[in-house]
Amino acid sequence: AQSVTQLGSHVSVSEGALVLLRCNYSSSVPPYLFWYVQYPNQGLQLLLKYTTGATLVKGINGFEAEFKKSETSFHLTKPSAHMSDAAEYFCAVMLWGGGTSYGKLTFGQGTILTVHP
Amino acid sequence: NAGVTQTPKFQVLKTGQSMTLQCAQDMNHNSMYWYRQDPGMGLRLIYYSASEGTTDKGEVPNGYNVSRLNKREFSLRLESAAPSQTSVYFCASSKLPEYEQYFGPGTRLTVT
Repeated sequence: AQSVTQLGSHVSVSEGALVLLRCNYSSSVPPYLFWYVQYPNQGLQLLLKYTTGATLVKGINGFEAEFKKSETSFHLTKPSAHMSDAAEYFCAVMLWGGGTSYGKLTFGQGTILTVHP
Repeated sequence: NAGVTQTPKFQVLKTGQSMTLQCAQDMNHNSMYWYRQDPGMGLRLIYYSASEGTTDKGEVPNGYNVSRLNKREFSLRLESAAPSQTSVYFCASSKLPEYEQYFGPGTRLTVT
C-alpha cells in the first residue's frame, strides 16, 4: 500500500521568501503524485501533478515540484511567497495500472502555510 | 459549468439520526468519490464509484452507505449518526480513476 508523509504540519515564511513544503511517499511502484491547495472553508484545488515524463512540473500560482525517485520525494516550492499563498497544502499519491489501489488518492496530513508581511 | 456541487453546506444531527449528503457533477466524469477530512489526518476515502453502476469501499467505510444514482450523482448516507462522524465531507469526481480529481466545497457535519 502507498503512504504519504508531509514534513511539518505548519510552515511560516515572510512575504517574498522561498516556500518549501516537503512530501515523501512510499509506494511499491512509481506513483502519480499531486499537490492540492485548500483555502479556508473551501474545497481542494489542484496545484500540479506528476504522471510521467519531465520530473520538474510547474503548476498554478508560480508553484513547482520535482519528482525525485531516488529520494521518494515530491517537494513543493515557490521562489517568492505572497500573502495570498496562505492556505493548507496537501500532497497525494495515486497508484495506477490496476490492482485494488488503482485510481485511489492517498493524502498526506497537510501543511498549513502562513505568510507574514 | 458548476463543477462539483454538494448539499447541504452545514448540518447538525443528534446521535442516532440519519441523513443523506448529496453530490452532483456536471463535467461528464465517470468516477466519483466521498472523503472525510479531520484535523491532522488529511482526507480519507470513504467510498468511491469508478464508473456508473459500481461502488467500492475506501479506507473508512464503516457507518456509511453510498448510492451512485446516475452518472452525475453520488450520495452518501449515514444511517445512524455517531459523534465520531463529526467531520467535513468532500465529494470529488474525475474523468477516469487515474485522472486528477475535482472537489466540491464540502459539507460540515456536526453530530451531538
